[in-house]
Amino acid sequence: QKEVEQNSGPLSVPEGAIASLNCTYSDRGSQSFFWYRQYSGKSPELIMSIYSNGDKEDGRFTAQLNKASQYVSLLIRDSQPSDSATYLCAVNIEGGGNKLTFGTGTQLKVEL
Amino acid sequence: ETGVTQTPRHLVMGMTNKKSLKCEQHLGHNAMYWYKQSAKKPLELMFVYNFKEQTENNSVPSRFSPECPNSSHLFLHLHTLQPEDSALYLCASSQDSASSSYTFGSGTRLTVV
Repeated sequence: QKEVEQNSGPLSVPEGAIASLNCTYSDRGSQSFFWYRQYSGKSPELIMSIYSNGDKEDGRFTAQLNKASQYVSLLIRDSQPSDSATYLCAVNIEGGGNKLTFGTGTQLKVEL
Repeated sequence: ETGVTQTPRHLVMGMTNKKSLKCEQHLGHNAMYWYKQSAKKPLELMFVYNFKEQTENNSVPSRFSPECPNSSHLFLHLHTLQPEDSALYLCASSQDSASSSYTFGSGTRLTVV
């Protein structure tokens, strides 16, 4: 069973729409959750972190965490073509110290 | 220079060669990591160093040998690699062993021929 699962996509949304990216994880004791953005041929870049249930907003990005459902999502409002990238969900598994376990990523395409 | 710097950016090596990847961070972090990224696979953790001490070896074959001389530098020594080792090798750092908020380097694209 995969520890961190994401739909690989591609997820296509029109410019200006809301993009919704989802991630589930298997370890119920996980404490820290991260979203990284990776442009093609580039390294991952941290865009959001969330540690407690609920929503966390930063500009056009909102991370949502539901520990009971073992589910974390990333919403991107007013999607722009520059948001086209692969979004990686990463989880700090309980007892894992500072190690992150990554999903395979969801490719997002924002179309004009 | 700031951030996490990796060299070289690209490397092509034969299966009998020996080469090294270098990572340097200027963030004052005390934890450093090597990850492997292959197509269609999640990032795979290879090694973790906290305050220069190796705290994690994720069952990595011995043909990969890490070295961390100080908290700012991390090396990955490569020898007798296989074609399936071709991948993007990413270095990352975080503040310390309690922090999972990583800053990644640009990576080394390795091709083994």
